[in-house]
Amino acid sequence: SQTIHQWPATLVQPVGSPLSLECTVEGTSNPNLYWYRQAAGRGLQLLFYSVGIGQISSEVPQNLSASRPQDRQFILSSKKLLLSDSGFYLCAWGPGSGGVADTQYFGPGTRLTVL
Amino acid sequence: AQSVTQPDIHITVSEGASLELRCNYSYGATPYLFWYVQSPGQGLQLLLKYFSGDTLVQGIKGFEAEFKRSQSSFNLRKPSVHWSDAAEYFCAVTGNMLTFGGGTRLMVKP
Repeated sequence: SQTIHQWPATLVQPVGSPLSLECTVEGTSNPNLYWYRQAAGRGLQLLFYSVGIGQISSEVPQNLSASRPQDRQFILSSKKLLLSDSGFYLCAWGPGSGGVADTQYFGPGTRLTVL
Repeated sequence: AQSVTQPDIHITVSEGASLELRCNYSYGATPYLFWYVQSPGQGLQLLLKYFSGDTLVQGIKGFEAEFKRSQSSFNLRKPSVHWSDAAEYFCAVTGNMLTFGGGTRLMVKP
């Protein structure tokens, strides 16, 4: 069966510091991968998605970036964090054969607090 | 572009009572529809999905949802709510991308 991991689970970072969140998927090949942000009391905002290694699509322009160095690894980064980057970051995967509109399965999330 | 509306931000029900969470969507073609549940501090778990066929869909944890094309709705139901069902529920629709509603927070009174 497929599993999705995210780490760290929680992170407290000062403003202006760099960020690296990692997501890995097991038990599937060539998945579509997604990064979402969920601000307090708000819904899900799609940040990035990837349909293959090195292929990144950005949905929202901001100081975050994403990379997919391996088939089942998706990384969310920032060079300098802002206070507004605080939130709950969710990684998700979907079957690559189904297209980006297919079912998505979510990881446990990373709670980021920027102080 | 597709959109999803969950009219109820908060709902409180008594344990053992029935539940219906509303979801309305906007999409020009036959949509794929989903319900997810999120417990505090956790990721989203897929409850059920509708792609085609029978418009009444059974999911996990005793939930079901009914697709009504004429009403552009995909409401989630459960006949008897348990305290462990307290969580936030998200409806989602696909067009060119999965689009989520704003969520409904369910509270369960003992």
